[in-house]
Amino acid sequence: DQQVKQNSPSLSVQEGRISILNCDYTNSMFDYFLWYKKYPAEGPTFLISISSIKDKNEDGRFTVFLNKSAKHLSLHIVPSQPGDSAVYFCAAFISNFGNEKLTFGTGTRLTIIP
Amino acid sequence: NAGVTQTPKFQVLKTGQSMTLQCAQDMNHEYMSWYRQDPGMGLRLIHYSVGAGITDQGEVPNGYNVSRSTTEDFPLRLLSAAPSQTSVYFCASSPSPRKQYFGPGTRLTVT
Repeated sequence: DQQVKQNSPSLSVQEGRISILNCDYTNSMFDYFLWYKKYPAEGPTFLISISSIKDKNEDGRFTVFLNKSAKHLSLHIVPSQPGDSAVYFCAAFISNFGNEKLTFGTGTRLTIIP
Repeated sequence: NAGVTQTPKFQVLKTGQSMTLQCAQDMNHEYMSWYRQDPGMGLRLIHYSVGAGITDQGEVPNGYNVSRSTTEDFPLRLLSAAPSQTSVYFCASSPSPRKQYFGPGTRLTVT
């Protein structure tokens, strides 16, 4: 049972345009969400996160939006650059004692076309 | 500061063999975890530890053992390798389970 889903396995975007990566979740207990970026032959690296008390968090070119009623979050990258080509994973977390686990989505491969 | 290190980078095993994947961190993090990454499956948690002497199962623990005798080290043992365990394995550490720092991975092939 996949509690965190990324329904687009891949996405191609022109350099300079906006990249939008989507993530859906089914467990309403999730209250903290993260995005990780992964280059080939490397481990994932943390990109940006958002708590469920917010609906938006920005960090430079990266913005994460959270829609709790739709159980949906998205990552916007503006403007997209060739170095953004990577696999992006969303992850979710329940902040209560006794549940110390991140649940990851299946990933979206983003390709930025020069 | 080396961060999270994993050895070996690559390994080929025959079915039935056992081996240990090593993971070490020098950031004094309490939380460590092991994931496997398979095509179309994302990152799935195998085992995790919230501190020395404390381990627990994740989503896909069968066929794997862990122990945590020190804060720095969190080895993953494959008891009797099977082709279904062919995967890329990532170790991670963090001060809390949220923002985890991943190692570079071990690519394991079981024939």
